[in-house]
Amino acid sequence: SYVLSQPPSVSVAPGQTATITCGGNRLGSKSVHWYHQKPGQAPVVIVYDSDARPSGIPERFSGSKSGNTATLTINRVEAGDEADYYCQVWDSDTDHYVFGTGTQVTVL
Amino acid sequence: EGRLVESGGGLVQPGGSLRLSCEASGFTFKTYWIHWVRQAPGKGLVWVSRINPDGTTIRYADSVKGRFTVSRDNTRNTVFLQMSNLRAEDTALYYCARVQGFYYGMDVWGQGTTVTVS
Repeated sequence: SYVLSQPPSVSVAPGQTATITCGGNRLGSKSVHWYHQKPGQAPVVIVYDSDARPSGIPERFSGSKSGNTATLTINRVEAGDEADYYCQVWDSDTDHYVFGTGTQVTVL
Repeated sequence: EGRLVESGGGLVQPGGSLRLSCEASGFTFKTYWIHWVRQAPGKGLVWVSRINPDGTTIRYADSVKGRFTVSRDNTRNTVFLQMSNLRAEDTALYYCARVQGFYYGMDVWGQGTTVTVS
């Protein structure tokens, strides 16, 4: 089955930049979506189709992709950005959706 | 904007069955794919299943295939997840979410309903 790998945790100081990676085979050919999930809440999509941002999501959040790695960048990190972050793709080989392993972002 | 509300969760013994519902409001339900995603306590998100707008295309994760059945009633704006032969590892918070297409993320989620198999 298709696997998306993320670092388990990322720590960042307020005002700095957080970078979360998502790696997967042939990821460059897939549309990647990113979600954040705060404790006790449902996930929220923050980037879709690798680099598009839904309305209402701050410009501080951006997505990119290169080779087999997708990256979520959070600029000017705020305390409220503490959450778990997940990448997600549709795997055309299995016709299944797949979530990444998740990254816990801690704001120091 | 749209809203999804799950219901039907509860405590069930191993081998038992449960039917979850996901009721939609505030958007044109019959034009969206609906997905089920679960999250075991303290764990990550796991995709479970999806159903296309007219209910003719359904996919399941390998871990639930043959045990779970998804259906929808567009007249009631509701998707159902019939779960059978439940196992301890099915214990999780079950979310439903809507998707417009492969290039869009899951942009509306319910609050989830908890299933405990014990």
